[in-house]
Amino acid sequence: DTAVSQTPKYLVTQMGNDKSIKCEQNLGHDTMYWYKQDSKKFLKIMFSYNNKELIINETVPNRFSPKSPDKAHLNLHINSLELGDSAVYFCASSQNWDRGPSGYTFGSGTRLTVV
Amino acid sequence: AQSVSQHNHHVILSEAASLELGCNYSYGGTVNLFWYVQYPGQHLQLLLKYFSGDPLVKGIKGFEAEFIKSKFSFNLRKPSVQWSDTAEYFCAVLSSASKIIFGSGTRLSIRP
Repeated sequence: DTAVSQTPKYLVTQMGNDKSIKCEQNLGHDTMYWYKQDSKKFLKIMFSYNNKELIINETVPNRFSPKSPDKAHLNLHINSLELGDSAVYFCASSQNWDRGPSGYTFGSGTRLTVV
Repeated sequence: AQSVSQHNHHVILSEAASLELGCNYSYGGTVNLFWYVQYPGQHLQLLLKYFSGDPLVKGIKGFEAEFIKSKFSFNLRKPSVQWSDTAEYFCAVLSSASKIIFGSGTRLSIRP
């Protein structure tokens, strides 16, 4: 049983397209995240949702929009893709945010390549 | 600004050598510290974490880390590495609720 699953694993698309990455967790966690790992392997948080409510929204272009239909899902929609969006995007979840998480469970990542 | 620094970008060791990867953070408040590992082609996995108590933390696969508050450090150690330890290692700090900051990572290559 995959705890945090992301789809697709690989995504190759042309500049200007709109694409979505889906994330689901079956751990019963309240908090979910999207991280971006750039070509230098540096991870940066993009968004965090707690019980479907946005609690972290780092400085990312408005083209990126997270959507959380329920607390087990956090999808990432990207409009008008640009070359610089090429990266690996990781979804993660944690049990709770206000008492401090015991750790994060990460998905396997989605490698996005914009051509 | 809160930050995490991993000064070793790439470390190359022979099997059975001892390992120490440096991690320094800048944050004056109470910190929760983590080390994550990313094996080739896989997702991040938690190696160990420090929240409070004994500053010497034992993790999985024989790894340990020591929290030294006066030095703002949380270095990762392993007395004898194996080829299977080849991976990317990330130090991270949770500086406030849910705001986790990662270091840039250290690539560890082990020669068989």
